[in-house]
Amino acid sequence: GQNIDQPTEMTATEGAIVQINCTYQTSGFNGLFWYQQHAGEAPTFLSYNVLDGLEEKGRFSSFLSRSKGYSYLLLKELQMKDSASYLCAVRDSNYQLIWGAGTKLIIKP
Amino acid sequence: DAMVIQNPRYQVTQFGKPVTLSCSQTLNHNVMYWYQQKSSQAPKLLFHYYDKDFNNEADTPDNFQSRRPNTSFCFLDIRSPGLGDAAMYLCATSRDRRGGQETQYFGPGTRLLVL
Repeated sequence: GQNIDQPTEMTATEGAIVQINCTYQTSGFNGLFWYQQHAGEAPTFLSYNVLDGLEEKGRFSSFLSRSKGYSYLLLKELQMKDSASYLCAVRDSNYQLIWGAGTKLIIKP
Repeated sequence: DAMVIQNPRYQVTQFGKPVTLSCSQTLNHNVMYWYQQKSSQAPKLLFHYYDKDFNNEADTPDNFQSRRPNTSFCFLDIRSPGLGDAAMYLCATSRDRRGGQETQYFGPGTRLLVL
């Protein structure tokens, strides 16, 4: 079966750095997405990786290792508004998005 | 602004009473998706349309149906809602499901409550 694993919940301090990990086992691989979802709202796109390495976008960076089936999302200079769930999703060989359950990130002052 | 719109944001229905959720988009995207998401769970794909081509997920209950009368609109019909169908229903669009960096754009969701 297809599976995406990410921690259920993480806590971090305002101004700090946090890394949210995602491991996947899917039927094929056609890219990995990270989405942010605030409570009661829809997911919004954060980043996309299809090749190994680091993609940087302002305070957010995403890393991919296809051989290890592993990605992480790195959030720097954390702000209170970053409190949200972060969902990892992999596009499989059928171009279907396989979703993780999300990591709830709690930011403390 | 181009966007994905869902109405209503909150819907209350009675057990067994049919309900329809609506989604519209101004992005002119080929593909429209309906997801069900329960608290602290991954979004679960119910079905998607590639243009007019309907694709049902194997584990989507028969209780759930969909219509896409034109490019802009897509409807989710729940014929006989049960208590287990209470969830957030998310509509999403994308330009082409085989696109490279092509991501899915989500509407704000409709939260369904079944009494």
